[in-house]
Formats: sequence, structure tokens, C-alpha cells
Amino acid sequence: EVQLVESGGGLVQPGGSLRLSCAASGFTFSSYEMNWVRQAPGKGLEWVSYINSRASILYYADSVKGRFTISRDNAENSLYLQMNSLRAEDTAVYYCARDTAIDLWGQGTLVTVSS
Amino acid sequence: EVVMTQSPATLSVSPGERATLSCRASQSVSANLAWYQQKPGQAPRLLIYAASTRATGIPARFSGRGSGTEFTLTISSLQSEDCAVYYCQQYNKWPPLTFGGGTKVEIK
Repeated sequence: EVQLVESGGGLVQPGGSLRLSCAASGFTFSSYEMNWVRQAPGKGLEWVSYINSRASILYYADSVKGRFTISRDNAENSLYLQMNSLRAEDTAVYYCARDTAIDLWGQGTLVTVSS
Repeated sequence: EVVMTQSPATLSVSPGERATLSCRASQSVSANLAWYQQKPGQAPRLLIYAASTRATGIPARFSGRGSGTEFTLTISSLQSEDCAVYYCQQYNKWPPLTFGGGTKVEIK
């Protein structure tokens, strides 16, 4: 089955760190560009970060630049998002998403930043 | 940054009637426009890409039109399972990839 499964979300205090993972299966992960997209509670979709298939091109939303780092391990079919210096406004469901016209989404993992 | 604006915010349509959703880009995005459907508690699902191409498994009642800055998503005959929030997204000039604010479709 073609799928993306995120993990690593949870409750963290402001200023803390968290690392999200996304496990891909059912397709040739190494051939695809990947993104992280988030959705704050009751709000719309916000693109967070992009990585190309070889991890040679990385992009970030201004809101997370300098705090978040995207990476991937093609041998392990996995995508990651290292999140540092977390703020309350980073609270959201984080989705792993394939390609730029996003044809495959994970189920999401909830990150809550609160003291 | 390309700003995507969707209208209306909420659309109430009777079962079997047509629903027309609009999406406007602040600058031309050519045909690099996608539409997504999101039901409560679920991840978004790709409906349309390249402005008018239905994604795999999407029913024919969903259709997309437009290019440049003006786009529409039409549901030709609304079914109860179509109640959801619909988002447009441009992938022409990025980063950032940008989404519209969404249109909630409900049954009248």
C-alpha cells in the first residue's frame, strides 16, 4: 500500500525541540520531492518545508527558517523535520506530503507547544 | 509570495445541485494549480492538478477550470459525502507553496 506515516509529535514546552519522522512505503521514495505542511487547530494549510529527491535543495517558510531543519534518508525511506526553539504558534498537525502538487499525504502528527 | 484567495468562505448547496468554488491568485500561476478536499479529522486529498486534471480515483462530478489568476472548482451534482473544506494551492512560483484559505461546502 502506498502510504506515508508520521510520528514524533507530542507536547513540548516553548523553546523546546522535537523531531518528526515520516515513513514512506509502497513507492520509490528516493524518486520524489517531499514537503512538510502544517495545519493549526481550526485553521487552513500552511507549507513548512521542502526537500528534493537528492536532498540537495532545501526550502523553508519564513516562519520556521533558522529553527526547523528538513532531511531525508532514502535508504530508510524516511523524511524528517527537526524543530528547535518551538513557539506556541508552531502548534499544529504536521503532515508529510509528496510532491508539489501534493498527491499523497500522511495522516498527520499533532505538535502542541505549551507550558 | 503568491497570495491565493478563495470565495465564498462557506457555500450551502442542495443535494444534486451544482457547487462552484472560486480561487484567485495575486499573480499569474499559469495552470500550476491544485485543488484538495479535506473532511473533518482527515488529511487533505488531491482532487485536481494542473488546474483541470482529475487525480486518480476522483469522480467525474468534480471538474476544474481556469488559468492565470482565476480558477474554479465545480461539483456538478452535490452528494452528501462532498461536504468538506476545499483548498486551492499554487505550485508555479515558489517557495513558498501557498494555499487559499478554504471554502467550506455544506448541504442546504
